[in-house]
Amino acid sequence: KNQVEQSPQSLIILEGKNCTLQCNYTVSPFSNLRWYKQDTGRGPVSLTIMTFSENTKSNGRYTATLDADTKQSSLHITASQLSDSASYICVVGLSGGSYIPTFGRGTSLIVHP
Amino acid sequence: DTGVSQNPRHKITKRGQNVTFRCDPISEHNRLYWYRQTLGQGPEFLTYFQNEAQLEKSRLLSDRFSAERPKGSFSTLEIQRTEQGDSAMYLCASSLARRGNDNEQFFGPGTRLTVL
Repeated sequence: KNQVEQSPQSLIILEGKNCTLQCNYTVSPFSNLRWYKQDTGRGPVSLTIMTFSENTKSNGRYTATLDADTKQSSLHITASQLSDSASYICVVGLSGGSYIPTFGRGTSLIVHP
Repeated sequence: DTGVSQNPRHKITKRGQNVTFRCDPISEHNRLYWYRQTLGQGPEFLTYFQNEAQLEKSRLLSDRFSAERPKGSFSTLEIQRTEQGDSAMYLCASSLARRGNDNEQFFGPGTRLTVL
């Protein structure tokens, strides 16, 4: 069964601190992995995408890593800001003609001043 | 604004009533997806269209749910005889399917449904 597991479920950090969110997946055949940011009451917005051959991708203060051998990904947020408070969702896409990705449940991040 | 739009943003209805939501995708996108999301969960796939053809439906999509995309542009999602368990955020996404394209899905702001 294709699954995406994220940890921790929720995280509280102080403004300015760094944090790392984890994603483990069992999706096969793998095509790509995205991290989305979802603000409360809004739709998800893509932060990064990585394919099988990529092991790191940055977008400003967000850096995603991918280990396709262990089927793990992480999202590192540097120097957190209050606006980083959101849910971060890991999404894995399939290859071979299926256009329905598998979503994780998300990690809820709260950044306190 | 050229992003995905959804209307209404919020809908409160009584149990047993029918509701209809609309999604306008990014204009050149040929794929359109509907998802349902409850609090603390990731989006759950409901159905998707390529142009006007509905190509896949989830088992989550009961007989009370129907979706259309009559001209391959906007789409509607109707829920008949709503139940309290239908209360959720309904998200629409669109993407451009093309060789070499990563099929990134762009999401709308969602419609929040509350069934009393």
